[in-house]
Amino acid sequence: GDSVTQMEGPVTLSEEAFLTINCTYTATGYPSLFWYVQYPGEGLQLLLKATKADDKGSNKGFEATYRKETTSFHLEKGSVQVSDSAVYFCALSDHNDYKLSFGAGTTVTVRA
Amino acid sequence: DAGVIQSPRHEVTEMGQEVTLRCKPISGHDYLFWYRQTMMRGLELLIYFNNNVPIDDSGMPEDRFSAKMPNASFSTLKIQPSEPRDSAVYFCASSPSRTSYNSPLHFGNGTRLTVT
Repeated sequence: GDSVTQMEGPVTLSEEAFLTINCTYTATGYPSLFWYVQYPGEGLQLLLKATKADDKGSNKGFEATYRKETTSFHLEKGSVQVSDSAVYFCALSDHNDYKLSFGAGTTVTVRA
Repeated sequence: DAGVIQSPRHEVTEMGQEVTLRCKPISGHDYLFWYRQTMMRGLELLIYFNNNVPIDDSGMPEDRFSAKMPNASFSTLKIQPSEPRDSAVYFCASSPSRTSYNSPLHFGNGTRLTVT
């Protein structure tokens, strides 16, 4: 079945550092891809999405490009802030099935 | 828009007791989902509803778990009897349409359940 694999954490960075979280997927069709973020004590929120190959999703300085050739959707941010400390989840959804398949989550801590 | 509202935020109970978790989806959202989050298994989809009808409950771990949606603005997840391994954060989420790529999930803040 469809699945998502993302890099294990935790990841600890200094403020203004570059962040990359790797995500690869396995799917039989052409899924939509998402990054969700979970701040402490809260539910998940959609951070960005891409619905077809070569699409780039972006939000709050974060970017991810849907790479069909490498089945990847890596999350990047050029200069992180303390407020970016959260758990980040990569997810996919097949267009014919509403279910979202989530990765295990990557905990990111940004130190001042 | 008040968002998805879950109650209680925290629940501590003893093994064998019945536990009921509650969820109020965003008004107008036709889809409602229950997820469970643990360190070991991550986020698991337990069940989801469309227009108050359960569509897929294949993620419900066993018969001790049941979920209902009596109307468009309320859903419950019940565990009877509860066991320590049920300890987790339970999330409710809703969405306005079937196509997830157009309609992301809106999550509540979760209920942290501890069974002793």
